[in-house]
Amino acid sequence: GAGVSQSPSNKVTEKGKDVELRCDPISGHTALYWYRQRLGQGLEFLIYFQGNSAPDKSGLPSDRFSAERTGESVSTLTIQRTQQEDSAVYLCASQYGGSGGLTDTQYFGPGTRLTVL
Amino acid sequence: LAKTTQPISMDSYEGQEVNITCSHNNIATNDYITWYQQFPSQGPRFIIQGYKTKVTNEVASLFIPADRKSSTLSLPRVSLSDTAVYYCLVGDGGFQKLVFGTGTRLLVSP
Repeated sequence: GAGVSQSPSNKVTEKGKDVELRCDPISGHTALYWYRQRLGQGLEFLIYFQGNSAPDKSGLPSDRFSAERTGESVSTLTIQRTQQEDSAVYLCASQYGGSGGLTDTQYFGPGTRLTVL
Repeated sequence: LAKTTQPISMDSYEGQEVNITCSHNNIATNDYITWYQQFPSQGPRFIIQGYKTKVTNEVASLFIPADRKSSTLSLPRVSLSDTAVYYCLVGDGGFQKLVFGTGTRLLVSP
């Protein structure tokens, strides 16, 4: 596609429910990031995928959070047993990678606004 | 990864020039410096990138001193629509993870 897409755009759920967020990166981009952004705050890194390498999960806040990516395509972020503090905008970004000497631009999706009641 | 440090917030008025400085003391030889802009309710977007000296585009200028341990994003004659958060990142692209910090929140007032 022309850009990074995310779905759903908004998700309201009840505390304790599981949610799954989806990210469709730009075709050909090898790297994919997930970030969390609470209201009025900066971006909080969650997880990073690069090609077929093992993902960098160092930013995941708890074992309730997990993410998958098949090859260089779609990624899903799953939050189990949601809590109210999980309410935030979840942003996905994809990146070409491999420019060798240039910092490849991260292209962001519109985000998914998650509200946990 | 090179760590970056930016002011948390800045205030300005319409028509003024705004300079936001980012410190990156342990920048590596191959690292480039990239700035992103984020408007409320949107994802960040790329605005400028440089390696050394000065880079200018239609949006901003980026000044990088010879030691490259800092960089300054310059926004000429800001308007209300420049109110946003500005992030500085350092990295050499390729397969290196690039992570956003807390950014600088710029508020432009009439």
